[in-house]
Amino acid sequence: QGQLVESGGGLVKPGGSLRLSCAASRFTFSGSYMSWIRQAPGKGLEWLSYISDSADTILYTDSVKGRFTISRDNGMNSLYLQMNSLRAEDTAVYYCARVVGRGNYGHADYWGQGTLVTVSS
Amino acid sequence: EIVLTQSPATLSLSPGERATLSCRASQSVSSYLAWYQQKPGRAPRLLIYDASNRATGIPARFSGSGSGADFTLTISSLEPEDFAVYYCQQRSNWPLTFGGGTKVEIK
Repeated sequence: QGQLVESGGGLVKPGGSLRLSCAASRFTFSGSYMSWIRQAPGKGLEWLSYISDSADTILYTDSVKGRFTISRDNGMNSLYLQMNSLRAEDTAVYYCARVVGRGNYGHADYWGQGTLVTVSS
Repeated sequence: EIVLTQSPATLSLSPGERATLSCRASQSVSSYLAWYQQKPGRAPRLLIYDASNRATGIPARFSGSGSGADFTLTISSLEPEDFAVYYCQQRSNWPLTFGGGTKVEIK
């Protein structure tokens, strides 16, 4: 069973930046597509970003496009999310997830425990 | 963006009863639909993928059906650990989207 461990969350002021990290183990990270998914307090799930195994395909949902950047380091088995121009509505638990599936995109079979990002003055 | 509508929002049932959860898509997603279970303070867990395939380690009491725009998750006989929130998710089009969730609570 794969393992994902997020870090880097915390309290940040509106307009500020934060970088989340996700350390992967117990599966072949370099051959896996990955994503970031978030959940605002008491709300549902929102799929934010998607990166292919070699990072040649990167997608963002509109709410974070131009502000967030997904990246990966296959040598370090790590996934990242650089978040800039943060807003109050970005307050959420952020999950990294492995994405699997034949054909279109995928579903998330491994999830991290999540890291809380709070945007407040 | 494909909108997924889950119903009911809350399902109040007793252990041993059958649970039937619905997920309707705003357009066809073929069979590209997954179901997740989430308990308070925990990450979601994949239950069903591609409409009807159980994920690794998921008990047989969980089953999924449907195609196109209408999907159902059935829990044949609720166990105490099944009381949770359930989400559907489509992978037909970007952005990938989730439904709003159905909470299965103890009656």
